[in-house]
Amino acid sequence: TQLLEQSPQFLSIQEGENLTVYCNSSSVFSSLQWYRQEPGEGPVLLVTVVTGGEVKKLKRLTFQFGDARKDSSLHITAAQPGDTGLYLCAGARGAQKLVFGQGTRLTINP
Amino acid sequence: ETGVTQTPRHLVMGMTNKKSLKCEQHLGHNAMYWYKQSAKKPLELMFVYSLEERVENNSVPSRFSPECPNSSHLFLHLHTLQPEDSALYLCASSQEGTSRTQYFGPGTRLLVL
Repeated sequence: TQLLEQSPQFLSIQEGENLTVYCNSSSVFSSLQWYRQEPGEGPVLLVTVVTGGEVKKLKRLTFQFGDARKDSSLHITAAQPGDTGLYLCAGARGAQKLVFGQGTRLTINP
Repeated sequence: ETGVTQTPRHLVMGMTNKKSLKCEQHLGHNAMYWYKQSAKKPLELMFVYSLEERVENNSVPSRFSPECPNSSHLFLHLHTLQPEDSALYLCASSQEGTSRTQYFGPGTRLLVL
């Protein structure tokens, strides 16, 4: 059983389009992180959200933490080829422990 | 550059070899982690060290042996591995007591022949 479900698992769209990636769980998390990972590299932190209902913006990326702190979404506006990568969400539960989703592999075609 | 370095970046080893992976963090964090990332699987937490003590071992086979000599360094000693152990091994660090945001190294791509 996957504690954090990400959807879609794969997404291929054209440059300039908008997209949303979802991270869902039946469990409550104290915080949630989004990472982007490029081939051959480790995940790089994009944002941490800690408050239910919180919205954070990072240029064309908008992150939202659900009111009940069980889910999150990542919306990208006017996607660019540089946005291509594996997007991972991770929820914090207990001391030191992060639970990762299986990731969304995003491809932006020029 | 995330402040977490890993060496080597790539490693090919036979099933009878002994090798070690090294991780170093320059962020002043007090917790360090080893993860395994295989194709089409979520990141798997292997070991957690907090204040240089191992606080978690997620049923990892004994052919993987971690070592944390101080809060900045973490090793993963490998011996008699199996081909299914081929994966990307990621090290991460965090500061205990915060939102537990983890900062990852670039990983070691391991191939076991």
